[in-house]
Amino acid sequence: EDKVVQSPLSLVVHEGDTVTLNCSYEVTNFRSLLWYKQEKKAPTFLFMLTSSGIEKKSGRLSSILDKKELFSILNITATQTGDSAIYLCAVAYNTDKLIFGTGTRLQVFP
Amino acid sequence: DAGVIQSPRHEVTEMGQEVTLRCKPISGHNSLFWYRQTMMRGLELLIYFNNNVPIDDSGMPEDRFSAKMPNASFSTLKIQPSEPRDSAVYFCASSLRLAGTYEQYFGPGTRLTVT
Repeated sequence: EDKVVQSPLSLVVHEGDTVTLNCSYEVTNFRSLLWYKQEKKAPTFLFMLTSSGIEKKSGRLSSILDKKELFSILNITATQTGDSAIYLCAVAYNTDKLIFGTGTRLQVFP
Repeated sequence: DAGVIQSPRHEVTEMGQEVTLRCKPISGHNSLFWYRQTMMRGLELLIYFNNNVPIDDSGMPEDRFSAKMPNASFSTLKIQPSEPRDSAVYFCASSLRLAGTYEQYFGPGTRLTVT
């Protein structure tokens, strides 16, 4: 069965801390791995990773994919309260479908 | 540039009633997806269309659910009759299906409550 597993389920940190969110997957015909941020409303797209070992970076967020070990990490440095959200990992497989993990809920306190 | 538009944003209805959710994808996008999100099951794909044609409806929970896409700029998800277990947030997403691109863009969602 195709699946995406994220860990931890929940994380509470203080502003300025660095966090690492994990995503592992088992799917047939892997195409790409995507990260989304979901605050109170819709998920918003962060990164798409297709190749192993190439880091994608956007400000304080960065992500990397390991296709041999079937996982990805999302790092957030110098966290801010505005980073509080659910972070979703999704894998594109077979055709156009995405399968989502259950997410990691990050809470950043001042 | 307008994003994905969904209506209504909130819907409260009684068990047994028909519910219709609407979606307008991003102009030029050729794939449209309907998702349901609950605390217990997370974000689940219900059905998706490519060039207005349903491609995969294996996520549709039962015959009470149906979806249509009569043209490139409009889709509906209908639940008839609705049940309390259908209460969830329903998202519509669209994408431009090109080789090597998989990102989907989500609408604001419709929060459905069935009493």
